[in-house]
Amino acid sequence: DGGITQSPKYLFRKEGQNVTLSCEQNLNHDAMYWYRQDPGQGLRLIYYSQIVNDFQKGDIAEGYSVSREKKESFPLTVTSAQKNPTAFYLCASSMTAGQPQHFGDGTRLSIL
Amino acid sequence: KQEVTQIPAALSVPEGENLVLNCSFTDSAIYNLQWFRQDPGKGLTSLLLIQSSQREQTSGRLNASLDKSSGRSTLYIAASQPGDSATYLCAVYNFNNQGGKLIFGQGTELSVKP
Repeated sequence: DGGITQSPKYLFRKEGQNVTLSCEQNLNHDAMYWYRQDPGQGLRLIYYSQIVNDFQKGDIAEGYSVSREKKESFPLTVTSAQKNPTAFYLCASSMTAGQPQHFGDGTRLSIL
Repeated sequence: KQEVTQIPAALSVPEGENLVLNCSFTDSAIYNLQWFRQDPGKGLTSLLLIQSSQREQTSGRLNASLDKSSGRSTLYIAASQPGDSATYLCAVYNFNNQGGKLIFGQGTELSVKP
């Protein structure tokens, strides 16, 4: 089945540690996105990529980094510079920018 | 700066009732508007997408309308069922000099009681 796979489902981070969240899609979509969701808030855009080897900062990129070396993959690294990383992270993809976005099941990140 | 607001934040209705969820946005220069459903601890499922040139879209018991001039969209759910219980999010797509992005409302948490 075509879709977006995020892993792991739950992730714990120690102080000063970088962690990487995986996002893989087999929909042959060009565009991919990372969002952060906090309780009672809508989704906020962290980074997005419209094509391989290119990505742009979203509204809350500080403390995060991404890469887009393959069309299918858009991993997100939460660095130690992100002081409040506890949140639900959602990855999405779309055929191109402006087309409907399809979402993965999310990764919940917590601090130990 | 585009802002999206959803009212109410939470809604509880008895099974079988027809209901309307509201979404408003401040900048009418949108490319499209998308309604999503989110179950607890899960990702988002796309329900309906309305292009800026369209007035409404229908899928089964769901009907979404768009009034760009007033900055409003509504999601109508007919004959609600307990399985409709979820959080409903609307998002508008704006083009900007970075290629565009979805801007989300905070969501309406719907509970349909048997």
